[in-house]
This record gives sequence, structure tokens and C-alpha cells, in this order.
Amino acid sequence: NAGVTQTPKFQVLKTGQSMTLQCAQDMNHEYMSWYRQDPGMGLRLIHYSVGAGITDQGEVPNGYNVSRSTTEDFPLRLLSAAPSQTSVYFCASSLLAGHYNEQFFGPGTRLTVL
Amino acid sequence: AQTVTQSQPEMSVQEAETVTLSCTYDTSESDYYLFWYKQPPSRQMILVIRQEAYKQQNATENRFSVNFQKAAKSFSLKISDSQLGDAAMYFCAYRSERSGTYKYIFGTGTRLKVLA
Repeated sequence: NAGVTQTPKFQVLKTGQSMTLQCAQDMNHEYMSWYRQDPGMGLRLIHYSVGAGITDQGEVPNGYNVSRSTTEDFPLRLLSAAPSQTSVYFCASSLLAGHYNEQFFGPGTRLTVL
Repeated sequence: AQTVTQSQPEMSVQEAETVTLSCTYDTSESDYYLFWYKQPPSRQMILVIRQEAYKQQNATENRFSVNFQKAAKSFSLKISDSQLGDAAMYFCAYRSERSGTYKYIFGTGTRLKVLA
């Protein structure tokens, strides 16, 4: 049981480049989400999904796309990277309801956009 | 919209002493969960403790306990017998249990320093 995995751990991009941050979980969780963490701002929700084929925007969705074709995977796409997207990105998953609904987090991806 | 506020950007505690981290939230809902997460320098987010809003009894996990005041919308974390390994960022989080609403909302965090 690997939990939530994210790749890559570190990435440097040039302005205008595109890339995909990968996220996968093996706990059969319905709920998956992407956050960005910036100093002094906590974790801000980018996009989330409540199941395969269902996604919705969070607090800061601009510049990011997501899709959820399987229960296990929830990639985050940056179409044209900007320096403002320099951040640490976390993927998380959880059960949709019930007592054991805490989020499990991946190890994070540190992204730098030059 | 719900909000979570952590008004202490940084706290310090002497090893073996007790410290309390504050968290307040704003919601009009009655069913929700509250969480405290710890983020050590490794960056990994770790669940510390969870509280269901419908439970009046405060949650405890070993040296960690909460003071949940539903009417005041307050959810503080008490760490007893502080250890050097407790040094980390601590985030308070809220999750609605209303059907169709599954967003988790996080506070801005409190950095805890433990002094030897």
C-alpha cells in the first residue's frame, strides 16, 4: 500500500512551458484534490474531484487543468507556466464520507518557474 | 463561505512544557469535521487529531488534545510534554459534511518551535 504518490519531487520550468504533475493513490478513495502551498498562505485548493469523470474548481484554479479518468489517478496540468505558479504542490485523497474521512497527502512537488 | 483562521503565525515552547495553538472558524453549518495536521521539515502532512462537530467530548490522541467550543467556533490544539520532534507547522482544517460539499479549508498555519 503506497498511499498517495506524486511525481516529480522537484521541477524547474521556464515561463511558457507546460507540464503535468502526476498523482496516484491506491486506497480506492473517491475524493482527490490538488493544493498549492505558499509561505504565509497555508494550503489553497486548486481543483478537486469526487470520482472518475467529475472535477470541480477550488479557490485558485486559474492556469491549471485537471482530469480524472480513473479512480486512482488525478494529474494536474500547467498549460503555460508563469513565475506566479512557483510553489509547493500537494495532492491528497480521502474517502468521500464517513468517520475516516481525513485526507492523506502525497510528499509534494516543489515547482520553480523561471 | 467557510473560513479558518489561525492567528498565531509562530509559537515557542520549552521542551516538556505545554503549549496551545489557536484556531477559529466561521460556518453556518451544523455538521462538519475539524482536523489538525502537522507538517515537519520533511514537508509530509500528517494527521494529528480529528473532531466531529456532533461530539461534545473533546478528542485526545496521547499528548495531543483539543478544546472544541462549537458555539464559539473555536478549535484549539493542546500539546502536553512537548518534545523536540513536535517542532513543525501546524494547520487547522475544516470539512463540511453537507452532501455535495466536499472541500477542505485550511488555515494559514502556526509554526511551532520547541526549545531544548
